Amino acid sequence: RKEVEQDPGPFNVPEGATVAFNCTYSNSASQSFFWYRQDCRKEPKLLMSVYSSGNEDGRFTAQLNRASQYISLLIRDSKLSDSATYLCVVTFQAGTALIFGKGTTLSVSS
Amino acid sequence: NAGVMQNPRHLVRRRGQEARLRCSPMKGHSHVYWYRQLPEEGLKFMVYLQKENIIDESGMPKERFSAEFPKEGPSILRIQQVVRGDSAAYFCASSGGLASPTTETQYFGPGTRLLVL
Repeated sequence: RKEVEQDPGPFNVPEGATVAFNCTYSNSASQSFFWYRQDCRKEPKLLMSVYSSGNEDGRFTAQLNRASQYISLLIRDSKLSDSATYLCVVTFQAGTALIFGKGTTLSVSS
Repeated sequence: NAGVMQNPRHLVRRRGQEARLRCSPMKGHSHVYWYRQLPEEGLKFMVYLQKENIIDESGMPKERFSAEFPKEGPSILRIQQVVRGDSAAYFCASSGGLASPTTETQYFGPGTRLLVL
């Protein structure tokens, strides 16, 4: 079983749509959780950290359910510029190795 | 630009040659991480270093791969006797500086794309 599993994608949505990505992690000892964004042939960039209380950053909302070992990312009012691969990431301890999912590709069209 | 620097950005090697990838962490950062992304795969952790120390090398292949982060200068990922399967994007990340929102936030460099012919 993979340590971090994500929806396989790709997700193809029109501008303005709401899209949700899901992610599960296998190790209950995981401590920190993130969503990163990776554009084609570029480096990953931190989109947001994910907290048990849930957190929102503009059009992006992240949720964590520790009991179910489940993480989600909701994007509202999709923009063309949101087209990218979204990576679900966990760590066992702050400052240690990041464990990446394979990513879910989002394509937003006009 | 005070971001993470990597060079070269692209590297072509023939089988059996050596590849040296360099990473300069963000200013003030003392922790360096190397990750590898094979074609159509996710990023995989390789090694975590602090100045002059390897903290975690659990993701490093046992042979041909080595990494260092000397007191002065960039971190180096070295691959000896490269094979075609080493072709990948190698990303470096850094953390641990006072400029980080938290000490754990890892910032990535642009990567080195290694092609082994």
